[in-house]
Amino acid sequence: SQQGEEDPQALSIQEGENATMNCSYKTSINNLQWYRQNSGRGLVHLILIRSNEREKHSGRLRVTLDTSKKSSSLLITASRAADTASYFCATDADAGNMLTFGGGTRLMVKP
Amino acid sequence: SQTIHQWPATLVQPVGSPLSLECTVEGTSNPNLYWYRQAAGRGLQLLFYSVGIGQISSEVPQNLSASRPQDRQFILSSKKLLLSDSGFYLCAWRHIRHTEAFFGQGTRLTVV
Repeated sequence: SQQGEEDPQALSIQEGENATMNCSYKTSINNLQWYRQNSGRGLVHLILIRSNEREKHSGRLRVTLDTSKKSSSLLITASRAADTASYFCATDADAGNMLTFGGGTRLMVKP
Repeated sequence: SQTIHQWPATLVQPVGSPLSLECTVEGTSNPNLYWYRQAAGRGLQLLFYSVGIGQISSEVPQNLSASRPQDRQFILSSKKLLLSDSGFYLCAWRHIRHTEAFFGQGTRLTVV
């Protein structure tokens, strides 16, 4: 079953614009992670935010987590054509070892 | 450094044939191992995970099975493939729970 659900499912923007993707989940988590997938390839980890954190930055990435609303957002600032990919959130439950992914957001950045 | 190998990259198999996909991890010991399946344009569905040799947890009941015969080897199998088994299969590992996961490059399976 999928724990996280991303919104929007697809996003098309111009280079230089910011891209915001949202993730909602249902159960208690230890942390939430964001991954990137280029077409036909494996996933690459971008950032991990723990349940006691509210915001985290990594380069042009900014992630927020609101555990009261069970939601997270990923912001990519000053997007580039090379950012074109699918982005997935994954929830890491407190109990057990499962890492559960959402349906993803397909981001297209036009040059 | 740690690396993960997954093969083959692509596979075309007839309905009813057996399946064996292999995943190995190098440079670490006692990793948590995962098999996911991804339908075209969709998210990842967790199929199996393992926290140790011989320890397999199944998330989706179906005609697939997994085994971990060695610490860093994770195998996905089927005795008889169905058309619905087509998809992109991804193996992943992580040191322990609550950390980041590292993915292989995936196997695209087409059942014909």
